Amino acid sequence: EAGVAQSPRYKIIEKRQSVAFWCNPISGHATLYWYQQILGQGPKLLIQFQNNGVVDDSQLPKDRFSAERLKGVDSTLKIQPAKLEDSAVYLCASIPDRGLTYEQYFGPGTRLTVT
Amino acid sequence: GENVEQHPSTLSVQEGDSAVIKCTYSDSASNYFPWYKQELGKRPQLIIDIRSNVGEKKDQRIAVTLNKTAKHFSLHITETQPEDSAVYFCAASGSYQLTFGKGTKLSVIP
Repeated sequence: EAGVAQSPRYKIIEKRQSVAFWCNPISGHATLYWYQQILGQGPKLLIQFQNNGVVDDSQLPKDRFSAERLKGVDSTLKIQPAKLEDSAVYLCASIPDRGLTYEQYFGPGTRLTVT
Repeated sequence: GENVEQHPSTLSVQEGDSAVIKCTYSDSASNYFPWYKQELGKRPQLIIDIRSNVGEKKDQRIAVTLNKTAKHFSLHITETQPEDSAVYFCAASGSYQLTFGKGTKLSVIP
């Protein structure tokens, strides 16, 4: 089966600009996660979707970050406006069904550099 | 929320020796504990996991132990090889959400 797809792989923007990331989970995977991984740290959960509904966005900085999964398949994460501290790798992950497995499948990530 | 502490932050071992990484968690409701290996510039890869109803699990050179009472779990790698060099993350999960430790950079010296 195809893995979790993410694009772009790399993005460089200036502070105060906006940026969007895209994720396409493994086909049939109902639950989707976005993580932020700052260099030298473990991934930190930003938001969790179950189909097209938000399960948890308590760690999403909602003044500048937004995410959607309109049709319950692919998802976009947006930052507007970006700050220097947003420089990180943004990882998308998915699991097939919350009752079947706990294992999360990660995408390759998008490396964001804010200058 | 859950808090996961991981030690040590860096670990150097000679090839063939064993490596042990330890993690503690705070939420007694956590019931799933995976370990991920992440090579530079790559995605985290699951290497082994354990559920709260199991005390130990082994897969070839890798083993994980869990002490629910003490809320800590450990990764054991035996007969280390240079290709084991990477950053290792522990995580704890309740409600299908992962909280990661800060990582351990393992260097295996040939």
